[in-house]
Amino acid sequence: QSTLTQPASVSGSPGQSITISCTGTSTDVGNYNLVSWYQQHPGKAPNLLIYEVSKWPSGVSNRFSGSKSGNTASLTISGLQAEDEADYYCCSYTPIGRRVVFGGGTKLTVL
Amino acid sequence: EVQLLESGGGLVQPGGSLRLSCAASGFTFRCCDMIWVRQAPGKGLEWISTINGGGNGAFYAESVQGRFTISRDNSKGTVSLQMNGLRDEDTALYFCARGFSAWTSWDYWGQGTLVTISS
Repeated sequence: QSTLTQPASVSGSPGQSITISCTGTSTDVGNYNLVSWYQQHPGKAPNLLIYEVSKWPSGVSNRFSGSKSGNTASLTISGLQAEDEADYYCCSYTPIGRRVVFGGGTKLTVL
Repeated sequence: EVQLLESGGGLVQPGGSLRLSCAASGFTFRCCDMIWVRQAPGKGLEWISTINGGGNGAFYAESVQGRFTISRDNSKGTVSLQMNGLRDEDTALYFCARGFSAWTSWDYWGQGTLVTISS
């Protein structure tokens, strides 16, 4: 089963902004606005940050924002904070088998 | 308060079976899709299966199609995952989660139950 492509790691200093990309295909990311982003701290369950490309669930900081261009979705974290250090995953719906595919995950290090 | 509590994990030999359960509380259970996602040790997240609120629509990852079966009991507020023909690569922490919006949005998660496949 194909997965979405994310960078393995990104880093930034407190207060800076970083962007994590998530590249799929014209079948999944490019064809549906059903991309979500999750944050996962070590030993914890994932936490929904962004859904339907750019929407915020209740309680999520607007320092996290999502967008999409073509087959690539992006998560931007502005005003980086120490507690943002975590793994980040994107996922998308795919009509192939009516399934969901995840990216491989990106480890964010706050310097 | 929404709570999801998984159970049923354990050590199983290759080829064996296991049934995971997820007990939900704090919301109208039948409203929501429920899903199972797993995470192998040190690896990323992998979607396994989704079942719709009525229980009449189930979808599976290619890696488990034909071996795993998801079901739900709306009267009890539980969702289950019957896993047959288990393989080494099924070793993972299995999470259940509640569907929030279409297909890929899950807003509440359990803490997971560990499944280990080993002889």
